[in-house]
Amino acid sequence: QSALTQPPSASGSPGQSVTISCTGTSSDVGAYNYVSWYQQHPGKAPKLMIYEVSKRPSGVPDRFSGSKSGNTASLTVSGLQAEDEADYYCCSYGGRNFYVFGTGTKVTV
Amino acid sequence: EVQLLESGGGLVQPGGSLRLSCAASGFTFSSYEMNWVRQAPGKGLELVSYIDSNSGRTKYYAESVKGRFAISRDNAKNSLYLQMNSLRVEDTAIYYCARDHSGWSLDPWGQGTLVTVSS
Repeated sequence: QSALTQPPSASGSPGQSVTISCTGTSSDVGAYNYVSWYQQHPGKAPKLMIYEVSKRPSGVPDRFSGSKSGNTASLTVSGLQAEDEADYYCCSYGGRNFYVFGTGTKVTV
Repeated sequence: EVQLLESGGGLVQPGGSLRLSCAASGFTFSSYEMNWVRQAPGKGLELVSYIDSNSGRTKYYAESVKGRFAISRDNAKNSLYLQMNSLRVEDTAIYYCARDHSGWSLDPWGQGTLVTVSS
């Protein structure tokens, strides 16, 4: 099972928006509405930011939003803040492969 | 507070074995599927293994560890385990345990335990 494809890096100024893409296949992203996104700061464990494509766990700011079209999912961070600088990973349910992660995107603010 | 705490990592020679543990607290452990996810130095995340709730009959292993690693759980002790045998240099990584959340997502994650395979 191949990893989902993400751009290696993305950047934006404080207050701006950044969108990260996550491209899979018809066997994972395109097949299920089970895409999640994780934020990881250096030396820390990943943190769930979005699940089921566009739902936010309690405590996650509404500046974070998710969407999906076909085999590509996206995470948008609006009103960028310094603390949003981190690595972001998408993940999709992949049927028999269970969880398939993306390659990761480093967001610079 | 929901919490996961891994232990058991360390330095081991190629071909050696380690057993990782994950102690869960703050939730009904037996009701949740559990996972081991690893991250090699400077690399991305990889699902290593999955085990279903309660019975533990359904298990998944990444191709890279199949036949060498074994996942198990002890619901009476609120603990998840990963027995790692025939370790290779490429198994060097931080190993996280993570609980299944709604809709095939993972939350929370433990703080991770570092496994280094080197001679």
